[in-house]
Amino acid sequence: DTGVSQDPRHKITKRGQNVTFRCDPISEHNRLYWYRQTLGQGPEFLTYFQNEAQLEKSRLLSDRFSAERPKGSFSTLEIQRTEQGDSAMYLCASSGMNTEAFFGQGTRLTVV
Amino acid sequence: KQEVTQIPAALSVPEGENLVLNCSFTDSAIYNLQWFRQDPGKGLTSLLLIQSSQREQTSGRLNASLDKSSGRSTLYIAASQPGDSATYLCAVRGATSGTYKYIFGTGTRLKVLA
Repeated sequence: DTGVSQDPRHKITKRGQNVTFRCDPISEHNRLYWYRQTLGQGPEFLTYFQNEAQLEKSRLLSDRFSAERPKGSFSTLEIQRTEQGDSAMYLCASSGMNTEAFFGQGTRLTVV
Repeated sequence: KQEVTQIPAALSVPEGENLVLNCSFTDSAIYNLQWFRQDPGKGLTSLLLIQSSQREQTSGRLNASLDKSSGRSTLYIAASQPGDSATYLCAVRGATSGTYKYIFGTGTRLKVLA
C-alpha cells in the first residue's frame, strides 16, 4: 500500500462547471476525511466518513458540495457550479480508530 | 469551540540550532494531537502522534510533548538542517461526543539557513 492517493493532482475549470475529485485511502483505514486549504492557512475540515457513513459535515460544505464513500473504500468530492472562491487545495486523509492520520498529496483546484 | 494557535508564525534559524515550535489549544478534552510537516504545494506528512494519555513522543531528531491540562504541545527539533525547512502544523482531535475532526493551527513556517 503506497498511502493515500488523490486524483487529479491539479484541476483548472471554468466558473460554473462541476468538478469531481477522488480519494483512495489506505486500505485498512475505516476513517476518511476531506479538508480544504487556502494559501497561508491551515487545513479546514469539510467532512468525515466512518466506513460508508458520513458522520460529520462542516458548515463550510454548502449545498454545492457533496461527498460520497459508497462502499467504505474510495471517496469522491463533487463541487457543483464552481465559483472562484472554491479555488484551493483539497486534501483527503485516512486513519484507523484513534490512530495516526495520513494525508494524500492533495488536488489543487483553480477556478477561472 | 476548539481553537488551535501556533507560535511563532515564521522562524528563520542557522543550520545546527535546536528549536522549539509551540502549539496551544483552547479545549483540553482531546483524544490526540498530531504534528505534520508540509512542503510548498504538497500534502501533509505525519511526524508524530501523541495520544491524550501520553506526555511525549520521539522520532529521530524530533520530540513532541503534550500538556493536556494547560492546552499546550511543543515540537522540539534537534540539530536543525536545511532539509527541515517547511511549514509545521499541529492538529487536535476533540473528545466531544459526535465530533471526529482534526482542528488545525495555521502553522509555523520554518527556514533553516545553510
